[in-house]
Amino acid sequence: QSALTQFASVSGSPGQSITISCTGTSSDVGSYNLVSWFQQHPGKAPKLMIYEGSKRPSGVSNRFSGSKSGNTASLTISGLQAEDEADYYCCSYAGSSTLVFGGGTKLTVL
Amino acid sequence: EVQLVESGGGLVQPGGSLRLSCAASGFTFSNYWIHWVRQAPGKGLVWVSRINSDGSSTSYADSVKGRFTISRDNAKNTLYLQMNSLRAEDTAVYYCARSFATVTLDSWGQGTLVTVSS
Repeated sequence: QSALTQFASVSGSPGQSITISCTGTSSDVGSYNLVSWFQQHPGKAPKLMIYEGSKRPSGVSNRFSGSKSGNTASLTISGLQAEDEADYYCCSYAGSSTLVFGGGTKLTVL
Repeated sequence: EVQLVESGGGLVQPGGSLRLSCAASGFTFSNYWIHWVRQAPGKGLVWVSRINSDGSSTSYADSVKGRFTISRDNAKNTLYLQMNSLRAEDTAVYYCARSFATVTLDSWGQGTLVTVSS
């Protein structure tokens, strides 16, 4: 049950695109198309942004997209906006009805 | 509107016990798996436990296995987390979260803070 690996921070200017990566193993990310991405603003509960790798819940902007290649999942945010500044966490199914999260990436909008 | 409201957090001494509750409303509670996720101060999210819709199956993170017990009362629309033998490293905000398709956490509560300290 080792945490998925995310870079600690990423930054971008308004209007730019950024990609946040999430690296797991063949026991979690690589084995299942069940990666979710969450956005968390300070002092708030996490919010689901992407599920099952690339699906967007109702109400989530189409500026958010997800993908996967091998053991690495990615979240891309296009047309960066100030309100996108937050912490982002990936989460993968890890078998036996367990989940594993990434360590989180802090997005700064310059 | 889906609502999950955690309660029961507080200050407890190392080795002590605490029971958290998560009251659900706005959806058919008995149809969903529910998870506990925690977040230590200034740290990331960590999955803790899950229970299936009728309470017959549970899973735990290795770090809490044998110390924490997840349960639910579908008649009361409430989820519980019994935490025993608490350690300083259990200090965190504890969130309950509903899942669909068993593993997608689509709705979260606001969290309850547990502090383990002497």
